[in-house]
Amino acid sequence: DVKVTQSSRYLVKRTGEKVFLECVQDMDHENMFWYRQDPGLGLRLIYFSYDVKMKEKGDIPEGYSVSREKKERFSLILESASTNQTSMYLCASSFQDSNLVTGELFFGEGSRLTVL
Amino acid sequence: AQSVAQPEDQVNVAEGNPLTVKCTYSVSGNPYLFWYVQYPNRGLQFLLKYITGDNLVKGSYGFEAEFNKSQTSFHLKKPSALVSDSALYFCAVRDIEDDYKLSFGAGTTVTVRA
Repeated sequence: DVKVTQSSRYLVKRTGEKVFLECVQDMDHENMFWYRQDPGLGLRLIYFSYDVKMKEKGDIPEGYSVSREKKERFSLILESASTNQTSMYLCASSFQDSNLVTGELFFGEGSRLTVL
Repeated sequence: AQSVAQPEDQVNVAEGNPLTVKCTYSVSGNPYLFWYVQYPNRGLQFLLKYITGDNLVKGSYGFEAEFNKSQTSFHLKKPSALVSDSALYFCAVRDIEDDYKLSFGAGTTVTVRA
C-alpha cells in the first residue's frame, strides 16, 4: 500500500513563528502536493511539485513556500505564521504516467495547525 | 479554469436506502473526474474515477458514479447505504489540458442513520 506520512498530526504555534510541515511518501511518486482544507471551502491547492527541486504555485500560495530536495519528501513552510493559516493541511502524492492520465492522489492523515 | 460544485452540504439517508451525492463540474476541455471520501480525522481516500469510456464507473465499497456530459454531472451513488458510509465526500475534476491541478468541491457530509 502507498503510504504518505505527515510528521505532525497536531501543532500549535504562535503568530510570527516559522512552521515546517513535513511529508514523506514511500512509493517513488513523482508528484507531490500540499492542500489546505477548511470547512465549506473544500481542499485548496497551495503548491505542488512534479520533480525534485521543482515546484509550482497552486491556487493559494501566498504566505507559504515549499522545498523538495529529495523525491520522497515535500515540505511546506510557513515563514511567519498568521492566525488565518489555522487549518488542516493535507499532503498527497501521485505517480505520473506518460500521458498524465491518472491523477489519483494518495493522501496523508493531515496536520491540523492552530496559530494563536 | 475548472471548478466543481457539490450543491448539498449534507445528505441524510436511512440505512438500506439508496444514497446519491451530487456533483457538477466545469472545465474548458475534457474532464477527468474523481470521488474521494474522508472519515473523521483522517486523510482522503480515493473511491473512483472517470477518465474515458463507459459512463458508469464502479469503485470501492460498492459505490458507483455516472458521468453525464450533457449535464456536466458526476453523481456518486450507492444502492443500499450502510451506517459506516457516514463520512465527508469530495468530488474533484481535472482538465486534461491542465496536467496537475485537481480542483475539489466543498464536500458533502453524508449521515446514514440506523
